[in-house]
Amino acid sequence: KQEVTQIPAALSVPEGENLVLNCSFTDSAIYNLQWFRQDPGKGLTSLLLIQSSQREQTSGRLNASLDKSSGRSTLYIAASQPGDSATYLCAVRWDSNYQLIWGAGTKLIIKP
Amino acid sequence: GAGVSQTPSNKVTEKGKYVELRCDPISGHTALYWYRQSLGQGPEFLIYFQGTGAADDSGLPNDRFFAVRPEGSVSTLKIQRTERGDSAVYLCASSLKGVTDTQYFGPGTRLTVL
Repeated sequence: KQEVTQIPAALSVPEGENLVLNCSFTDSAIYNLQWFRQDPGKGLTSLLLIQSSQREQTSGRLNASLDKSSGRSTLYIAASQPGDSATYLCAVRWDSNYQLIWGAGTKLIIKP
Repeated sequence: GAGVSQTPSNKVTEKGKYVELRCDPISGHTALYWYRQSLGQGPEFLIYFQGTGAADDSGLPNDRFFAVRPEGSVSTLKIQRTERGDSAVYLCASSLKGVTDTQYFGPGTRLTVL
């Protein structure tokens, strides 16, 4: 069964720290993987999309890496800010599926 | 430009009632998706439209759920004989052409079945 897991479910760190969020998935034959941010009442925003052939993607202070062989992706956030507080979700599309399969997310709190 | 919009933002109904949830995608986006999200969980895929047709409805939980997109833009998710277990946030997303494109999400409709 194709599943996506995110651990921890919640994370609280002081402002300014660099941090890493984890996403693991079964079945390494993925098509692509995306990281999303979810703010209460505002829906989901796509942050980074990594194609199967790529190893990483960067946008500003965010860097997402992909290691298919180990079934893992990480989202690195540099110099965290209180505005980064949100729930971060990882979603995977496998070749044989139209659907995005989602992790349950990591709720991140950045303390001023 | 305008993003994906969903109405209503909140819907409270009684068990057994019929509800309709509306999604207005980004203009020009041919692909539209419906998801359901329960508290503390990631979104669960329901149905995917390509134009006017449902390309994949494998996520619809049962025949009480139905969705339409008659003109290839606005979509309506319809739930008959609502049950308490249907309570969730229903999310709509659209993408320019299809499943390989970035999906843009609406704010969701919070459905509460009493």
